[in-house]
Amino acid sequence: EPEVTQTPSHQVTQMGQEVILRCVPISNHLYFYWYRQILGQKVEFLVSFYNNEISEKSEIFDDQFSVERPDGSNFTLKIRSTKLEDSAMYFCASRRGQGSSEQYFGPGTRLTVT
Amino acid sequence: SQQGEEDPQALSIQEGENATMNCSYKTSINNLQWYRQNSGRGLVHLILIRSNEREKHSGRLRVTLDTSKKSSSLLITASRAADTASYFCATDASYGGATNKLIFGTGTLLAVQP
Repeated sequence: EPEVTQTPSHQVTQMGQEVILRCVPISNHLYFYWYRQILGQKVEFLVSFYNNEISEKSEIFDDQFSVERPDGSNFTLKIRSTKLEDSAMYFCASRRGQGSSEQYFGPGTRLTVT
Repeated sequence: SQQGEEDPQALSIQEGENATMNCSYKTSINNLQWYRQNSGRGLVHLILIRSNEREKHSGRLRVTLDTSKKSSSLLITASRAADTASYFCATDASYGGATNKLIFGTGTLLAVQP
């Protein structure tokens, strides 16, 4: 069964460094998402992406964040200058398209900012 | 209270018993989805119920939705030790848009004792 994959599974970085989290959505899906979960807290929506552009972003998704679909398979989340409070589990999700509301999540990338 | 709150926060039962988790939300929704998360892992989609549906079944799962009370319940019958996980409800309030972002609840931690 197709699944969403994410790399790396764990990323440790120093404050102020740039990180890129990578995701490969399910191949015939058209809508892509990033969510994050700070330890012990709710899963929070960050951004949605469709037709090569952001369709919605949350207040969390400020100028330090960007997303890109550089080719037909990858979907990336970049944090330009990481802060301690960016430490969280980041989940990528994809959805097939109109008429299908289920989102399928990847296993997540645990980002630790020191 | 926030959109998507589950109760109880934690539930401990014996194998073979039924587990019921409740979710309340505040705004009108298009659909409501339930996800499972094993400790430190990704989110697994369990079941989706649309706003015009009242009950849905999938294997040992039964979901109900009461839009007048803005609440949903997830029933797991004949629980197994492998059902031990956190369970989250997530609401989708989008209609015809390109977002369909999910708003997650606080989760119920279910422990099934063998």
